[in-house]
Amino acid sequence: AQTVTQSQPEMSVQEAETVTLSCTYDTSESDYYLFWYKQPPSRQMILVIRQEAYKQQNATENRFSVNFQKAAKSFSLKISDSQLGDAAMYFCAYRSARTVSAGNMLTFGGGTRLMVKP
Amino acid sequence: DTEVTQTPKHLVMGMTNKKSLKCEQHMGHRAMYWYKQKAKKPPELMFVYSYEKLSINESVPSRFSPECPNSSLLNLHLHALQPEDSALYLCASSQWDRGFDEQYFGPGTRLTVT
Repeated sequence: AQTVTQSQPEMSVQEAETVTLSCTYDTSESDYYLFWYKQPPSRQMILVIRQEAYKQQNATENRFSVNFQKAAKSFSLKISDSQLGDAAMYFCAYRSARTVSAGNMLTFGGGTRLMVKP
Repeated sequence: DTEVTQTPKHLVMGMTNKKSLKCEQHMGHRAMYWYKQKAKKPPELMFVYSYEKLSINESVPSRFSPECPNSSLLNLHLHALQPEDSALYLCASSQWDRGFDEQYFGPGTRLTVT
């Protein structure tokens, strides 16, 4: 079974600064997908960024980028120019690329609460 | 339309009540999910429906009964719940056969069992 670990229960960052959230995972599979989801205090979870394991190039979405190290099984999220609206719980998630019998199931990490200081 | 809607937003029920949670999406997704989320914890998968058929039941107690009347709707029927069942219940949907596609989450129903 796969496991996802987020070692930082809480992080804080000054507005306009850069912060990196850590995520490691354990799997014996070679093909999979990784996601970062954001859950603001209003509760609705939204996708921030995703990465396909077979792609060596790190994904980037505006101020959000990842550092994907497949050999190290590491998938960190970097938020540049942090904004007050970035304050939220961030969940790292893993999904197998096996057949659909895997159920499209996401394995979540424990989450990191990000606080942004004005 | 990339929205998943859930009703009600809040629900308080006694241990002998019967209630239902509802979820709706109009994105043409053929997979729908129920999650339970406790405070400061990640969502825990409860059920997965694919093409209106239950494909995964994560050993959820029978006091939770899911139903998928059609491809757009997902219900969770609740009966004889326990106080420890108080949580945020999230619904999500996605394409079934494109694993790279994201799951779209609803805002959740905050359930309190008294």
